Amino acid sequence: GEDVEQSLFLSVREGDSSVINCTYTDSSSTYLYWYKQEPGAGLQLLTYIFSNMDMKQDQRLTVLLNKKDKHLSLRIADTQTGDSAIYFCAETSRDTGRRALTFGSGTRLQVQP
Amino acid sequence: GAVVSQHPSWVICKSGTSVKIECRSLDFQATTMFWYRQFPKQSLMLMATSNEGSKATYEQGVEKDKFLINHASLTLSTLTVTSAHPEDSSFYICSAEGTSYGEQFFGPGTRLTVL
Repeated sequence: GEDVEQSLFLSVREGDSSVINCTYTDSSSTYLYWYKQEPGAGLQLLTYIFSNMDMKQDQRLTVLLNKKDKHLSLRIADTQTGDSAIYFCAETSRDTGRRALTFGSGTRLQVQP
Repeated sequence: GAVVSQHPSWVICKSGTSVKIECRSLDFQATTMFWYRQFPKQSLMLMATSNEGSKATYEQGVEKDKFLINHASLTLSTLTVTSAHPEDSSFYICSAEGTSYGEQFFGPGTRLTVL
C-alpha cells in the first residue's frame, strides 16, 4: 500500500532557508502535496506537484522531486516566525484509483527569532 | 476559492452520548467528501469516503456502526459519533473533492473531547 514518511522535527533561525523532506511509495501517476497546519487549525494547501515534474517554485516555496529516490522536498526561503507549523507531505495516485490522500507523519518546523 | 466549513469547531460531551459533526462545501458541489481523524501529534488517517446518495466506504478498522456517515446532498456530509467514549476524543477533519484528480479542500476541523 501507499506509505509516506517524514522527519519529525526541524529547527531553523529566522531568515534562513528550511528544507523539509519526504519519501513516498512509487507510482507512475502520483500527485504529491504539501500542507501546512498551525496549532488547532485545519490544513492549508501550500503547493503540489505531479510526478512528471522535477521542480515547482511559488514565491518562497520550492518543491523538488527526485523520482529515482522517491524523494520530495519543500524548501522555504527566508523562513519567518509565522512559518512555524507542522508540514504534511501527502500523496494520491491515479494507478490505485484511491482518491483520498495518504499523509506523512508531519514535520514540526520551529523558527527561532 | 473553494471553501469547506465544519460545525461545530469544538465539542465536549459526556461518555455514552452521540455527537454529530457537519461538513459543508459552501460555494461548490461535492459528490465525494472524506473524513479524516487526527490524534494529538499524529498524522491524519482516513476514516471513510462519503459519497452523495450512497453508502460511505469505510477504511479497515473503522466501525461503521459507531461512525455514521450521511451524505444526503451535494453540499453536506455528516459524521455522527455514536455512544462516544474518551478514546474517540480526537480532531476530525473533512475534505471535499474538487474537479481535478487529487484536488481536495479541507475544512477547519472539529475537536471532540469525550469526558
